[in-house]
Amino acid sequence: DTGVSQNPRHKITKRGQNVTFRCDPISEHNRLYWYRQTLGQGPEFLTYFQNEAQLEKSRLLSDRFSAERPKGSFSTLEIQRTEQGDSAMYLCASSPNIGAQNTEAFFGQGTRLTVV
Amino acid sequence: ELKVEQNPLFLSMQEGKNYTIYCNYSTTSDRLYWYRQDPGKSLESLFVLLSNGAVKQEGRLMASLDTKARLSTLHITAAVHDLSATYFCAGGAGTYKYIFGTGTRLKVLA
Repeated sequence: DTGVSQNPRHKITKRGQNVTFRCDPISEHNRLYWYRQTLGQGPEFLTYFQNEAQLEKSRLLSDRFSAERPKGSFSTLEIQRTEQGDSAMYLCASSPNIGAQNTEAFFGQGTRLTVV
Repeated sequence: ELKVEQNPLFLSMQEGKNYTIYCNYSTTSDRLYWYRQDPGKSLESLFVLLSNGAVKQEGRLMASLDTKARLSTLHITAAVHDLSATYFCAGGAGTYKYIFGTGTRLKVLA
């Protein structure tokens, strides 16, 4: 396992279309995160999974956004009715669950979304 | 809610010089992380600081954490061009969340 894998790496879509991104975390990492990063900014937290349970969703995540992690392994992030403001890099990260202590997160290469 | 601020936002420095990036955070957090990001690439973990007074060093980079001052620093010694990148600090919020600063874009000039 070489790390967190995301696909596609790039996605160009027309406004109003739906898009879905996939993330494969590092094997045996229980924790999975989605972040969004716009140009010149730091990553912003979107949502968090502990195994298959989605434990937190940011207020940034409108009802057009949905994330799943059905078997506690890979995760998908879907954006419905895309808007130009959704254009960003979507980053997935995973970390092991060592008790309750926070550990470093390992990030994937990201999916760059452009809405035209 | 935890807020993380970095300064400077941009840093242009000559090779061989020393400099420090500062990371302030707004509420109690005993976990602080430093990441590096190259253009178009993902984030690479540099340091994990888990206690007050923690200091870690790797090559020309040294990170420290002062939880009482809510401050972490990333010190660069004798900068080289390969260190050019954007550096992010992130505070641990709760038991699992990471809150990132806006980043410091470092350019090392030959």
